[in-house]
Amino acid sequence: AQTVTQSQPEMSVQEAETVTLSCTYDTSESDYYLFWYKQPPSRQMILVIRQEAYKQQNATENRFSVNFQKAAKSFSLKISDSQLGDAAMYFCAYLLGGGADGLTFGKGTHLIIQP
Amino acid sequence: EPEVTQTPSHQVTQMGQEVILRCVPISNHLYFYWYRQILGQKVEFLVSFYNNEISEKSEIFDDQFSVERPDGSNFTLKIRSTKLEDSAMYFCASIIALTSGRPSYEQYFGPGTRLTVT
Repeated sequence: AQTVTQSQPEMSVQEAETVTLSCTYDTSESDYYLFWYKQPPSRQMILVIRQEAYKQQNATENRFSVNFQKAAKSFSLKISDSQLGDAAMYFCAYLLGGGADGLTFGKGTHLIIQP
Repeated sequence: EPEVTQTPSHQVTQMGQEVILRCVPISNHLYFYWYRQILGQKVEFLVSFYNNEISEKSEIFDDQFSVERPDGSNFTLKIRSTKLEDSAMYFCASIIALTSGRPSYEQYFGPGTRLTVT
């Protein structure tokens, strides 16, 4: 079974600074997808960024980027120019190609933005 | 922008009662999921549903749970006899089915139904 590990239960960053959230995963599959989801206090799950395992280029979405190290099975999220609205729980998630198995989530990292 | 909707937003029920949680996926999506999140914990996969049948289910999805798509738009999760430990947020999600090329597999989540079992 696949596992996703987020080793940082909580991270704190000053507004406008950069923060990196860590995620590692374990799989023996070659066709898979990785995601970062944001969950604000409303508990809505919001997709932040996705990475296809077959793509070598790291995904980027505005201030959000990932460092995807396939051999190391690492998928970290970098948030640049942190804003107060970025404060939330962040979940790393894995999906086996085909989609049937559903997302496997990590335990989450609570991101605090200091004004 | 199309979105996944869920009703009710909050359901309170007594232990042993049956509950039905409803979801309306995005209209051209064909692959559906239910997840749950116990307060303070991670989101857990329950079941996936495609072509009017269950594709995969987790160990959590035991005989107390069932899913169906009764009318081509709604996607429901039924808990037959609720237990205290069923108290959680239940999320529905959907993706567009694979047509050609590589799909993004981006799952669109509904806002969730908070289930409280007393």
